[in-house]
Amino acid sequence: ETGVTQSPTHLIKTRGQQVTLRCSSQSGHNTVSWYQQALGQGPQFIFQYYREEENGRGNFPPRFSGLQFPNYSSELNVNALELDDSALYLCASSWGGDLTGELFFGEGSRLTVL
Amino acid sequence: QKEVEQDPGPLSVPEGAIVSLNCTYSNSAFQYFMWYRQYSRKGPELLMYTYSSGNKEDGRFTAQVDKSSKYISLFIRDSQPSDSATYLCAMSEYGATNKLIFGTGTLLAVQP
Repeated sequence: ETGVTQSPTHLIKTRGQQVTLRCSSQSGHNTVSWYQQALGQGPQFIFQYYREEENGRGNFPPRFSGLQFPNYSSELNVNALELDDSALYLCASSWGGDLTGELFFGEGSRLTVL
Repeated sequence: QKEVEQDPGPLSVPEGAIVSLNCTYSNSAFQYFMWYRQYSRKGPELLMYTYSSGNKEDGRFTAQVDKSSKYISLFIRDSQPSDSATYLCAMSEYGATNKLIFGTGTLLAVQP
């Protein structure tokens, strides 16, 4: 069974640029969630995708957008990067039909905005 | 005021000690309560899940939820150096896998 994998693991961008982060779900999972974890903070919910549709969004501006593909992999796109976007971006997959299920997190993509 | 408050620590204890970690929250709609463990440079992993109020035990770990006080706890018995990590409480009104609100995390160091 393959776990959640994310790419790239590290990247550096400059303010105003755009970034795309990628995530492959754990086998058998149809739901992907994205979280932002700033240094010394807990993860903050960005959004969730279930069967290619957005299924909930946290308090993030529209420049944070996402996609889920038919194979349930996912992308997080951030436009017009700001210095405060520097963080660890975590992807988590789950089985959407189970309210009591478990989120399986990847190791994250660490984004630095200069 | 944050929806979920957690003492960031750090907390340092000797091997074999009992560790108590706590979170308070303000949203009475939360029904799903979780504890995650995060090792350095890794993603969080689920330790314990509790629905509504009550206690749950799993090996050396016990989770307690007191909804009347809006307070949750995680107890670790016979702590080991391998327990050294950041412990994150998380809660949600939508399910254990959707729109989780996390605390800031408590950094725990268990000294051999």
